[in-house]
Amino acid sequence: KNEVEQSPQNLTAQEGEFITINCSYSVGISALHWLQQHPGGGIVSLFMLSSGKKKHGRLIATINIQEKHSSLHITASHPRDSAVYICAVRQGGSEKLVFGKGTKLTVNP
Amino acid sequence: GAGVSQSPSNKVTEKGKDVELRCDPISGHTALYWYRQSLGQGLEFLIYFQGNSAPDKSGLPSDRFSAERTGGSVSTLTIQRTQQEDSAVYLCASSSQGLAEAFFGQGTRLTVV
Repeated sequence: KNEVEQSPQNLTAQEGEFITINCSYSVGISALHWLQQHPGGGIVSLFMLSSGKKKHGRLIATINIQEKHSSLHITASHPRDSAVYICAVRQGGSEKLVFGKGTKLTVNP
Repeated sequence: GAGVSQSPSNKVTEKGKDVELRCDPISGHTALYWYRQSLGQGLEFLIYFQGNSAPDKSGLPSDRFSAERTGGSVSTLTIQRTQQEDSAVYLCASSSQGLAEAFFGQGTRLTVV
């Protein structure tokens, strides 16, 4: 079993829909990251969370440390949000990340 | 430069050959990371450099893999005696503030034939 599990693996939505991507992990962590990988391969770091909730524009990330679960929400989704969203966790004081396999999001106009 | 630069962008090599992949981080970034993304797989941590500290090599998959960072700037990932399972996209990232603000390069797509 992968230490970091994401769901769904694939997600198709219509423009304007509210999107939720989930991440569960099985190890103790010091931080959790959400990354966005564009179709061309470029990766952007979206959030780093250790507790609570963060918001940036239409993106919201939450984490529940007790339940070992995080969610990434996209409000008013747009075709340009189409990408692979990757959850990654950092264990202890290490800089080493353990990655989920990613969720491929397609937002249709 | 404006961002993290990796070269080459694509590399095709014959099985058994050695390859070198280069990463030019953003100027002033003290932290540099190498990751690998195999086809259909998630990202995999390889190695992490922070300033003058000893690198964290815990993710290197075998002793055929090595990396160095000269002068705290440019990094080279070397794969000796390449195997087909080494085929992947190799990504480099750099940061001045740890992973919270990491910037990724576009990657080097390595194909071993």
